[in-house]
Amino acid sequence: DTAVSQTPKYLVTQMGNDKSIKCEQNLGHDTMYWYKQDSKKFLKIMFSYNNKELIINETVPNRFSPKSPDKAHLNLHINSLELGDSAVYFCASSFHGEETQYFGPGTRLLVL
Amino acid sequence: AQSVTQLDSQVPVFEEAPVELRCNYSSSVSVYLFWYVQYPNQGLQLLLKYLSGSTLVKGINGFEAEFNKSQTSFHLRKPSVHISDTAEYFCAVSDQRNTPLVFGKGTRLSVIA
Repeated sequence: DTAVSQTPKYLVTQMGNDKSIKCEQNLGHDTMYWYKQDSKKFLKIMFSYNNKELIINETVPNRFSPKSPDKAHLNLHINSLELGDSAVYFCASSFHGEETQYFGPGTRLLVL
Repeated sequence: AQSVTQLDSQVPVFEEAPVELRCNYSSSVSVYLFWYVQYPNQGLQLLLKYLSGSTLVKGINGFEAEFNKSQTSFHLRKPSVHISDTAEYFCAVSDQRNTPLVFGKGTRLSVIA
């Protein structure tokens, strides 16, 4: 009965590859987010979706493309991976009209 | 834009001693304030939140925080820490519902036996 789940938990890949991270929430929330946590533990918003529509897109390279097939899912596809993409990526969700965001366990991406 | 400052990057403390982790935010008309905890190699878990009402907020695991509007602070406290409290603690703020959280840089709490 995991609330916000992410797959995979760990991802090790070579530079130049394309990879996807999946996020699913079973809380009935209608807003989902992707955050990036860098090597210094700093967390920063990347994208925000509400009802499957992109509402916030921070300064993120075009190589990152979020996709929301339905309100319960928000996937992150990354093209042409670079060393600097190594980080922990967190998915989160919230319900419209509420302030609290619930986070997934994170996906630890290492680009070699 | 909102910003959050966590003044201490690392806080070592002996077991059973009290602890305070400091957080200041940039002023706004209204804010929602949160503390999250991240245990080693795990995700973020909500400790407590301030939305409105009483300025003293109690959370899980014996933690509490006090919202001080005049000082734009939301410091986290625990009267007696345990080894298991060793983790990274993040203060976060938002000024509207359904907007992304702005996080501080985190404070690493290390509890020493």
